[in-house]
Amino acid sequence: EAGVAQSPRYKIIEKRQSVAFWCNPISGHATLYWYQQILGQGPKLLIQFQNNGVVDDSQLPKDRFSAERLKGVDSTLKIQPAKLEDSAVYLCASSPRSPGEQYFGPGTRLTVT
Amino acid sequence: GENVEQHPSTLSVQEGDSAVIKCTYSDSASNYFPWYKQELGKGPQLIIDIRSNVGEKKDQRIAVTLNKTAKHFSLHITETQPEDSAVYFCAALDGGTYKYIFGTGTRLKVLA
Repeated sequence: EAGVAQSPRYKIIEKRQSVAFWCNPISGHATLYWYQQILGQGPKLLIQFQNNGVVDDSQLPKDRFSAERLKGVDSTLKIQPAKLEDSAVYLCASSPRSPGEQYFGPGTRLTVT
Repeated sequence: GENVEQHPSTLSVQEGDSAVIKCTYSDSASNYFPWYKQELGKGPQLIIDIRSNVGEKKDQRIAVTLNKTAKHFSLHITETQPEDSAVYFCAALDGGTYKYIFGTGTRLKVLA
């Protein structure tokens, strides 16, 4: 069974630029999560989707972050404009149900200079 | 909301010794507690989990114990091997919001 796929794996941008991350969850998983993991910390939930609907986005900085999950499969997370403090690893996870076991992708390491 | 504390932040053990990582949680409604192993450059990988109706669960060299009264749970790794070296995260599923709250991680080093 293929795992959660994410791309790109690494991204370096300057502050005020925009960036987008892509996630393809495990086939058949209805729930998709985006987490932000700052160096030395545990993952922090940004947004949770159930199929193509948002379940929780209470910790998503909506003035600069946006996410969508069209057709209830792939998802993209966008940051516009980026700030220095957005430097982190962005993890995507999926789960067959909510709540349920989470399976993480390899993450995208973002560096904002 | 839920808050999870994890100790220690770093742990070094000799190969073959045991390692114990402890977490405490604040919300008595939390009912699911997974443990993840994160290797360098990879995403967290689920290694074991426990639900609130169980006190202990074992899988080969790994075990997790849960004390609901004290609101703490622990990961036990026996006969440690160099490949066990990684960062380990505990998490609790908030019973109200169904969000996972993660601990701050423990960097385990197994010395050969």
